[in-house]
Amino acid sequence: RKEVEQDPGPFNVPEGATVAFNCTYSNSASQSFFWYRQDCRKEPKLLMSVYSSGNEDGRFTAQLNRASQYISLLIRDSKLSDSATYLCVVSRNSGGSNYKLTFGKGTLLTVNP
Amino acid sequence: DTAVSQTPKYLVTQMGNDKSIKCEQNLGHDTMYWYKQDSKKFLKIMFSYNNKELIINETVPNRFSPKSPDKAHLNLHINSLELGDSAVYFCASSRPGQSSYEQYFGPGTRLTVT
Repeated sequence: RKEVEQDPGPFNVPEGATVAFNCTYSNSASQSFFWYRQDCRKEPKLLMSVYSSGNEDGRFTAQLNRASQYISLLIRDSKLSDSATYLCVVSRNSGGSNYKLTFGKGTLLTVNP
Repeated sequence: DTAVSQTPKYLVTQMGNDKSIKCEQNLGHDTMYWYKQDSKKFLKIMFSYNNKELIINETVPNRFSPKSPDKAHLNLHINSLELGDSAVYFCASSRPGQSSYEQYFGPGTRLTVT
């Protein structure tokens, strides 16, 4: 089983739609959780961290369920500029004060006019 | 004022050659990483250095040798290149000490081995 698994996608939605991405992780020692965004032929960039209490940043809402080892990302009122690959990422200690990120395979979102 | 930079951006070379990719960060971070993103877009860590010391070495062939001359630089040398090495290689950096710290990625080096 992969350490981080995401919806395979791709997702094609019209502008204004609400879209949700799901992710599960297998290592219960995982400590921090993130969604990164990667545009086509670009580097990944942090979209938002994910907290147990859930957190929101504008149109984006992230949720974490540690008991189920499940992470989600909800995008409301999709914009054309939201088209990208969304990467679910978990972090765990790799020794001392060092941490290792493990990336999911990513889910491609295309928002259509 | 690029935060994490890599050179070259594109690299096309023949099998059997040796090549290097350079990475520099001006964020003052102590930790740097090399990732490989293959044709299926799967991004996987290869190496991590903290203050010039190797701390993560995933199951990477020993043809790949990272070198960190100082904490702002992490270079990747690849010997005897193979077709399967074709991928995008990303350098990244972060502060050490907390799992919640963001990693900043360079623009990537697209390596094509023919």
